[in-house]
Amino acid sequence: DIQMTQSPSTLSASVGDRVTITCRASQSISSWLAWYQQKPGKAPKLLIYKASSLESGVPSRFSGSGSGTEFTLTISSLQPDDFATYYCQQYNSYAAFGQGTKVEIK
Amino acid sequence: QVQLQESGPGLVKPSETLSLTCTVSGGSISSYYWSWIRQPAGKGLEWIGRIYTSGSTNYNPSLKSRVTMSVDTSKNQFSLKLSSVTAADTAVYYCARDLSTLGYGMDVWGQGTTVTVSS
Repeated sequence: DIQMTQSPSTLSASVGDRVTITCRASQSISSWLAWYQQKPGKAPKLLIYKASSLESGVPSRFSGSGSGTEFTLTISSLQPDDFATYYCQQYNSYAAFGQGTKVEIK
Repeated sequence: QVQLQESGPGLVKPSETLSLTCTVSGGSISSYYWSWIRQPAGKGLEWIGRIYTSGSTNYNPSLKSRVTMSVDTSKNQFSLKLSSVTAADTAVYYCARDLSTLGYGMDVWGQGTTVTVSS
């Protein structure tokens, strides 16, 4: 099974900050990685697929990069609506999610 | 646009079988994979498994012995059964359209339904 590890688990930031979240896979997953945003009481929302492709309608301040085993999600300028929990998900071999990174207000 | 809605009992007794259905509206269920994901309160997401409209399935190895998925294309529905449930199966259960094999991830999700395992 492929294990996904995110860091940090919690991130405190201010509006306007540049934020980076890391996701590591236990083995190579090529670029088969997605990022999701989840707000309390809501279903996850797809942000990024294929490691760096932006889902339609997602603001351009979100970007993804990486391949193989190491990936990053970057928010270039954090907005009030971005305070949420973010999950990575590999789909090289079925599916597995990271444990999540909560982005909270500093 | 495609919308998903989970339905089923909100309370299941220990050792019994949890049964949920996901209804697809606004589009066809055909020619896609459909996944089930769950999330215990305050915890992360766990992929349970997926089903293709042909009936082909893939399950999370950690749950495989207890999971059965099925699809009814005539009703635009797919279903999840999880047997021998315990309190550890208490969670919000989501269904999602899974475009992984097309390279896209899970692009449409249901709102989720809470299932509590308790006597």
